[in-house]
Amino acid sequence: ILNVEQSPQSLHVQEGDSTNFTCSFPSSNFYALHWYRWETAKSPEALFVMTLNGDEKKKGRISATLNTKEGYSYLYIKGSQPEDSATYLCAFMGTGTASKLTFGTGTRLQVML
Amino acid sequence: EAQVTQNPRYLITVTGKKLTVTCSQNMNHEYMSWYRQDPGLGLRQIYYSMNVEVTDKGDVPEGYKVSRKEKRNFPLILESPSPNQTSLYFCASSLMGRGNTEAFFGQGTRLTVV
Repeated sequence: ILNVEQSPQSLHVQEGDSTNFTCSFPSSNFYALHWYRWETAKSPEALFVMTLNGDEKKKGRISATLNTKEGYSYLYIKGSQPEDSATYLCAFMGTGTASKLTFGTGTRLQVML
Repeated sequence: EAQVTQNPRYLITVTGKKLTVTCSQNMNHEYMSWYRQDPGLGLRQIYYSMNVEVTDKGDVPEGYKVSRKEKRNFPLILESPSPNQTSLYFCASSLMGRGNTEAFFGQGTRLTVV
């Protein structure tokens, strides 16, 4: 079973703070790296799908970078808002794995007023 | 609206009583999966299907069965549920062989086996 690790496990920040999380994954046989946002009592929703080394993606105040050679991705949130409170999941897809996603345990973000 | 629909959302059952959790998608996706989510663990794949009549075990298949008779439906069957199958279950679908496209998730089914 592949090892996909996320850190930190949880994070409390004040409204307006900027923050970032890490996802580590195997650096060999890379195909894609996905980020999902999962709010309590809802289903996970895709934020980014990244496939190329050096990829940078942005959606509003949230952005992500990808380093496939060293096996990590960062997710950044600028100026956190209470509605950003959620669990952020990353998922690794390797070559030859028939679309299988291997998920990390997630980073739970709580943005306080 | 593109969606994955799971039912039921909540289920409490007794040990040994067979149950089925349904999953349906309207996006004509080939690939469908079932995951379970337990505290402190990531989403773990139970079973997956690459197309109609093509299913295979994921990482934690013991105690579960699936079928894929139609492209849109992928039910999860627990023939004899046990308390260690108490968990939050998600169904997901995506285009096959397209790692650059996202997976779509159902709303989740919270199962309690007593």
